[in-house]
Amino acid sequence: KNQVEQSPQSLIILEGKNCTLQCNYTVSPFSNLRWYKQDTGRGPVSLTIMTFSENTKSNGRYTATLDADTKQSSLHITASQLSDSASYICVVSAGYSSASKIIFGSGTRLSIRP
Amino acid sequence: DARVTQTPRHKVTEMGQEVTMRCQPILGHNTVFWYRQTMMQGLELLAYFRNRAPLDDSGMPKDRFSAEMPDATLATLKIQPSEPRDSAVYFCASGLTGTGDQPQHFGDGTRLSIL
Repeated sequence: KNQVEQSPQSLIILEGKNCTLQCNYTVSPFSNLRWYKQDTGRGPVSLTIMTFSENTKSNGRYTATLDADTKQSSLHITASQLSDSASYICVVSAGYSSASKIIFGSGTRLSIRP
Repeated sequence: DARVTQTPRHKVTEMGQEVTMRCQPILGHNTVFWYRQTMMQGLELLAYFRNRAPLDDSGMPKDRFSAEMPDATLATLKIQPSEPRDSAVYFCASGLTGTGDQPQHFGDGTRLSIL
C-alpha cells in the first residue's frame, strides 16, 4: 500500500535554532517527492522537489535530502525565523507519467518561539 | 503572480442546506484538483480534472457531493444535502500536469462549517 508518514507530528523550537523534519514513504514505483509549506489559513506552497537521482537540494534556508534506498527524505531548516511557523507536508508521486498517483503525508506542524 | 481563486472563503450553514464552492484555476493550467483538509485526516483528494474531464473522483462521497468544470475558468464543488461531518477546509489546486513533476498551485480554501 502506498503510504507517506511524517514525523514528528508537531515541533516547537526557539527562533534561530535549526530543525529537521522527516518523511518516510512506501511508494512504488517512485517518481518524485515534493515538500510543501502551508501557512495558517492559506493553501500549501511548493518548496522543493526531489527526483530519484537527487540527494540534496537547497532553497534558501531550507535543505531537502532524499535517500531512495531507505525511502526517506528530510527537510532541514537553518537559523529558523518566526515566519517558518507553518505545517510542512511531504508529497510523493508514484507511477509513470501518464498515470501517476500523488500521496500526501499528514504534515508536521512547526512552531517557532521568539 | 497568477493565483488560484476560491469563493467563498468562509461558509456557515445549517445541516441539509446545499453548499456550492467555486474555484478559478490559473489560466493555462489544464488540471484541477479538489481536496478536503481536516485536523484528523490531513489533505484528502476528492476529485481531479484534466482538460475539464473528470479523471478521478473516487475520494468523493457520490451520494451528496458533485464536482464539475462548466468551462476552463470555473470549477465547482457542490454538497447536497450538507451534514455536520462535512465541516472542513476545502482546497482547489491547479497545475500544468497531474503527475507531480509540476507543482500544484493551491487556493486559500473555503472554510465550511455545517451546524
